[in-house]
Amino acid sequence: QSVLTQPPSASGTPGQRVTISCSGSRSNIGGNSVYWYQQLPGTAPKPLIYRDNHRPSGVPDRFSGSKSGTSASLAISGLRSEDEADYYCATWDDTLSGPVFGGGTKLTVL
Amino acid sequence: QVQLVQSGAEVKKPGASVKVSCKASGYTFTNFYIHWVRQAPGQGLEWVGRINPSGGGTSYAQRLQGRVTMTRDTSTSTVYMELSSLRSEDTAIYYCARSPTVTTENDYWGQGTLVTVSS
Repeated sequence: QSVLTQPPSASGTPGQRVTISCSGSRSNIGGNSVYWYQQLPGTAPKPLIYRDNHRPSGVPDRFSGSKSGTSASLAISGLRSEDEADYYCATWDDTLSGPVFGGGTKLTVL
Repeated sequence: QVQLVQSGAEVKKPGASVKVSCKASGYTFTNFYIHWVRQAPGQGLEWVGRINPSGGGTSYAQRLQGRVTMTRDTSTSTVYMELSSLRSEDTAIYYCARSPTVTTENDYWGQGTLVTVSS
């Protein structure tokens, strides 16, 4: 049972816009920055969004992050087949005094 | 270029210990924390702990306290993660990752090390 709650799966067709949610509480998302990672099959996670809504260099602007209260979202527009991957949110938890991850969302491009 | 290169796969028996290394290059080793994150087969990511290569200070996940130890060797820019009293549920890929802060702002990751615990 992860501290942060993500839907286990999401899907969309090429060109569509999809969003993945990440729900937490005041002790984590409510007071700390959120990070998003993309994990392609058989590879290490790759940073996608940092500090709620910033993209590392090299990440397409099709990917965007947002946060409101105790929830965060990752939006992917212009969906492409290579976006098929697992996506994880992460943040700091003040109660646990450590980082926590969401359970991950498997994105399928139909 | 920044690289984190981890040691190879390990197979251990229950009750044994394992020590995984993570060698950093391409940046000033002492300027970034190293976090360890593990992923059991078919499961999500779990934070294991972190070490500050500058002073050696560590912080571990509560559920692994007492079984995990992280150390560093500044002469070789290498961080080590040792997990003792291994159980089958410790079977996972263990990743090291760099971060400028104590949070999971991990910008570079190692390739992962598979640790299998089996009798």
